[in-house]
Amino acid sequence: GAGVSQSPSNKVTEKGKDVELRCDPISGHTALYWYRQSLGQGLEFLIYFQGNSAPDKSGLPSDRFSAERTGGSVSTLTIQRTQQEDSAVYLCASSPDRDREQYFGPGTRLTVT
Amino acid sequence: QKEVEQNSGPLSVPEGAIASLNCTYSDRVSQSFFWYRQYSGKSPELIMSIYSNGDKEDGRFTAQLNKASQYVSLLIRDSQPSDSATYLCAVKGLPGGSYIPTFGRGTSLIVHP
Repeated sequence: GAGVSQSPSNKVTEKGKDVELRCDPISGHTALYWYRQSLGQGLEFLIYFQGNSAPDKSGLPSDRFSAERTGGSVSTLTIQRTQQEDSAVYLCASSPDRDREQYFGPGTRLTVT
Repeated sequence: QKEVEQNSGPLSVPEGAIASLNCTYSDRVSQSFFWYRQYSGKSPELIMSIYSNGDKEDGRFTAQLNKASQYVSLLIRDSQPSDSATYLCAVKGLPGGSYIPTFGRGTSLIVHP
């Protein structure tokens, strides 16, 4: 079946611009996570959605970052007023349920110039 | 706070050998454990999940969990050069606790012909 998809695969933006990154989870998966990974670094948790519950935003690094999940499916991560330190690969993952394994999308490589 | 520790490596093994990857975690109540493989420039890919003490085998891969020692390992039998990647250990908490997995920094595995 179809896996997790993300778009765009690459995004180059100028410092100060806003960007939106999209994630389409596996159909029926109730949990959705966003991470970012800088070059040579580990996974940094950003935000977690579970069903219709309020998201866990504890990993968002600043108020420039926000995310929403519509209809319990597609999610959008928005970064406002991008900074060079926001450059990273942004990964989305979904799980069949909250205590189950995660399936990652291919990621969006964001470059802020 | 949960912590997941992995030796960063690189772990170098000859083709055909058994590669042993280890992971320790600090949270005694953790209940779900996962191994992911990440090739350079790619997103993590699920290898195995394990939830109860003992061994779980899937093809050339065996995951071993010892909750008393807070230790989970991954054995790769008949290692192949295509197994060369970074292996990530991830841990999730109890129902009622955090469903945000904690990832180790990963162990780099090199399988040389």
